[in-house]
Amino acid sequence: SYELTQPLSVSVALGQTARITCGGNNIGSKNVHWYQQKPGQAPVLVIYRDSNRPSGIPERFSGSNSGNTATLTISRAQAGDEADYYCQVWDSSLGVFGGGTKLTVL
Amino acid sequence: QLQLQESGPGLVKPSETLSLTCTVSGGSISSSSYYWGWIRQPPGKGLEWIGSIYYSGSTYYNPSLKSRVTISVDTSKNQFSLKLSSVTAADTAVYYCARQGSNWGSEAFDIWGQGTMVTVSS
Repeated sequence: SYELTQPLSVSVALGQTARITCGGNNIGSKNVHWYQQKPGQAPVLVIYRDSNRPSGIPERFSGSNSGNTATLTISRAQAGDEADYYCQVWDSSLGVFGGGTKLTVL
Repeated sequence: QLQLQESGPGLVKPSETLSLTCTVSGGSISSSSYYWGWIRQPPGKGLEWIGSIYYSGSTYYNPSLKSRVTISVDTSKNQFSLKLSSVTAADTAVYYCARQGSNWGSEAFDIWGQGTMVTVSS
């Protein structure tokens, strides 16, 4: 089965840029989606199809995908960005989520 | 705007069947533009896709759960449902329903319900 690998945690200083990676075999050939989940809340879609932002998501959130790694980039990190982030793809019509990354804003 | 709301028992006994319903409001579940999915999250753990359904009844299931899962749709009530049989403590989780685009195999879950906690315990 297809697996997505994310770092357990990423730390970023307030106002700096955070990058969260999602690794998978030839993930560059798939559409990658990213979700933000704050404690006690449902996930929220922040990036779809690699690099597209839903309405209402700040431009500070961006995504890229190539080769074996997809990346979620959060520019000018704010305290409110502190959350768990999950990547997700479809592989052979099956939904696959990464294990999640906890982003800490210092 | 479109909203999804999960409902069902919060406590299920081991070996019994977990049954949840997701009610869609602010839009039609019969739209040809969307699939409707179930995702779960055990306490302190990550997200797991359970399965998805189209308004026509076409379904896709996670192979790891397929033998125990049934997802159905009731267009007259604008609802879709999840049944998970022979539950164990490992099925204890927050269960979410969500909407996804109709281009199967590539779309994101763009709208989520708030989630409902289901505990499996005697």
